[in-house]
Amino acid sequence: DVKVTQSSRYLVKRTGEKVFLECVQDMDHENMFWYRQDPGLGLRLIYFSYDVKMKEKGDIPEGYSVSREKKERFSLILESASTNQTSMYLCASSLSREGDEQYFGPGTRLTVT
Amino acid sequence: GENVEQHPSTLSVQEGDSAVIKCTYSDSASNYFPWYKQELGKRPQLIIDIRSNVGEKKDQRIAVTLNKTAKHFSLHITETQPEDSAVYFCAAIGGGADGLTFGKGTHLIIQP
Repeated sequence: DVKVTQSSRYLVKRTGEKVFLECVQDMDHENMFWYRQDPGLGLRLIYFSYDVKMKEKGDIPEGYSVSREKKERFSLILESASTNQTSMYLCASSLSREGDEQYFGPGTRLTVT
Repeated sequence: GENVEQHPSTLSVQEGDSAVIKCTYSDSASNYFPWYKQELGKRPQLIIDIRSNVGEKKDQRIAVTLNKTAKHFSLHITETQPEDSAVYFCAAIGGGADGLTFGKGTHLIIQP
């Protein structure tokens, strides 16, 4: 049974702070993804990674960066948090690159004040 | 990149009736079309998917149809039940395999 975990369920940060969101999967999946979910906008892809130390920009990468030093761990970094980054952040992983089920984590509700 | 449009944004049906959610996509090279269900406060979970070499797929009360010529695909739920109430997202993976692009979601409400 695939398990994807995220470091925090709820997080409150101040404008300008550096924020780290961590995601860990235990199924040896090659691919990992970060999305943000906002009401009425669905899920939007921020960054994804197909291998260790590899990263690719998604649809809305501005203001974010990522790190993947180990296969099971994918981190999302907000270099200088802003209020428009208040959102639900979802991590996901999948086995293959060409279209496969993505398993999502429980999400982190980030509020930037 | 890929663009996915989903309609309607809200759908209310009587318990036992059928529900249909429709999506269109823009990239003719897209080849994988999953549907995810997200219950309130929970993570999205895959309920059914279809690949571009297939026109229809069924799994009990759920079916997905794909029209590659028209670039649209639909989710059909028959004999709806209260536990079908959720937000449903369609998605497509573009020809460049650049990750999934999701529709904006449909809030399905099952009226008792």
